[in-house]
Amino acid sequence: AAGVIQSPRHLIKEKRETATLKCYPIPRHDTVYWYQQGPGQDPQFLISFYEKMQSDKGSIPDRFSAQQFSDYHSELNMSSLELGDSALYFCASGKRYQETQYFGPGTRLLVL
Amino acid sequence: GENVEQHPSTLSVQEGDSAVIKCTYSDSASNYFPWYKQELGKGPQLIIDIRSNVGEKKDQRIAVTLNKTAKHFSLHITETQPEDSAVYFCAASPLQGAQKLVFGQGTRLTINP
Repeated sequence: AAGVIQSPRHLIKEKRETATLKCYPIPRHDTVYWYQQGPGQDPQFLISFYEKMQSDKGSIPDRFSAQQFSDYHSELNMSSLELGDSALYFCASGKRYQETQYFGPGTRLLVL
Repeated sequence: GENVEQHPSTLSVQEGDSAVIKCTYSDSASNYFPWYKQELGKGPQLIIDIRSNVGEKKDQRIAVTLNKTAKHFSLHITETQPEDSAVYFCAASPLQGAQKLVFGQGTRLTINP
């Protein structure tokens, strides 16, 4: 079965640079969630989208923004990167009126 | 907001024995409780979930129990195998369609051959 696709899988950036993470949900899923997972930590919710509209917002820094496109894929834009942004970033997809979330393989971001 | 506590943080069991991981939650509005397995370098994989109208659910060697009155739920793995070794996360969310998940801190389960 098709799964959530995330790209890139690994990313190395310098402080103050920008990064764009992409997420392609499972076919026919219309909702996308972004989570951040620090080393040894549990995933923390950042933001979610349904039908290109932001549906919920968590602990996402103002330096980060995200959007969902008409084909339901989503991009997380991260600016003025800090060392503390180094983490795994997961995208999950689901359907609007269903609770189940399926996670992608993640993007490992390292900020030097 | 919701707060989920998970115990233990590490668990080591002999192959073939059972493993139990427990979680408590704070928000009585939470009605959906999934469990995820995360292997090193991979994304969380949904292994079982339960909704508040059910007290117990079983899928082969894995079972989950829910006590809404006490606000706690547990994962039970029987006849453990080496491939069960991973980090397990519980989570909670309101049963109202697409909602964010609030995760527990995770349990690192090690199965000793």
